[in-house]
Amino acid sequence: GENVEQHPSTLSVQEGDSAVIKCTYSDSASNYFPWYKQELGKRPQLIIDIRSNVGEKKDQRIAVTLNKTAKHFSLHITETQPEDSAVYFCAASLFGNEKLTFGTGTRLTIIP
Amino acid sequence: DAGVIQSPRHEVTEMGQEVTLRCKPISGHNSLFWYRQTMMRGLELLIYFNNNVPIDDSGMPEDRFSAKMPNASFSTLKIQPSEPRDSAVYFCASSAHWGNTEAFFGQGTRLTVV
Repeated sequence: GENVEQHPSTLSVQEGDSAVIKCTYSDSASNYFPWYKQELGKRPQLIIDIRSNVGEKKDQRIAVTLNKTAKHFSLHITETQPEDSAVYFCAASLFGNEKLTFGTGTRLTIIP
Repeated sequence: DAGVIQSPRHEVTEMGQEVTLRCKPISGHNSLFWYRQTMMRGLELLIYFNNNVPIDDSGMPEDRFSAKMPNASFSTLKIQPSEPRDSAVYFCASSAHWGNTEAFFGQGTRLTVV
């Protein structure tokens, strides 16, 4: 089955700086890659996703890049703000299969 | 829509007791997932239903765990008998079956087995 690895497990950045979280996946057939944000004590919520037919997607301060050849994808957050502090999870799945395999999460802390 | 609704929000039970967690998915969603979240293991998929039929239960840790989805608007996850190592946050999530779409999570049930 699919295996998703996520790095780093913790990340601290100064407010205003950029943060990058990286994930690799094992199944070359995977073609859907969402990112979820989980604030303390709350549910995971989708913040951005990318499908394998594109290499990059942006939504304001958040971007995701995908390298299908290397089987890795990354989340980029620019101009970080205190409210970006949370745990971020990457995930991967195959088209037509609803099963998401999650990475182990990255705890991002924004230092004011 | 009120989103995915889980109950109870918190459950404290004694070891050996039966625990039942409940989930109401978003109306119209065809897929339902049960996840367990712990500090050590992160988010683990326990079981996944599509159109009320269990598709993949390979994540169910032991025979003590069972899940049902008797209709499109209700699912249960049962642990019998419960053990302290079952303590975790259990999330239910649902998604529309249009291929790969967003999974909407419920608020979770924090289970503590003492």
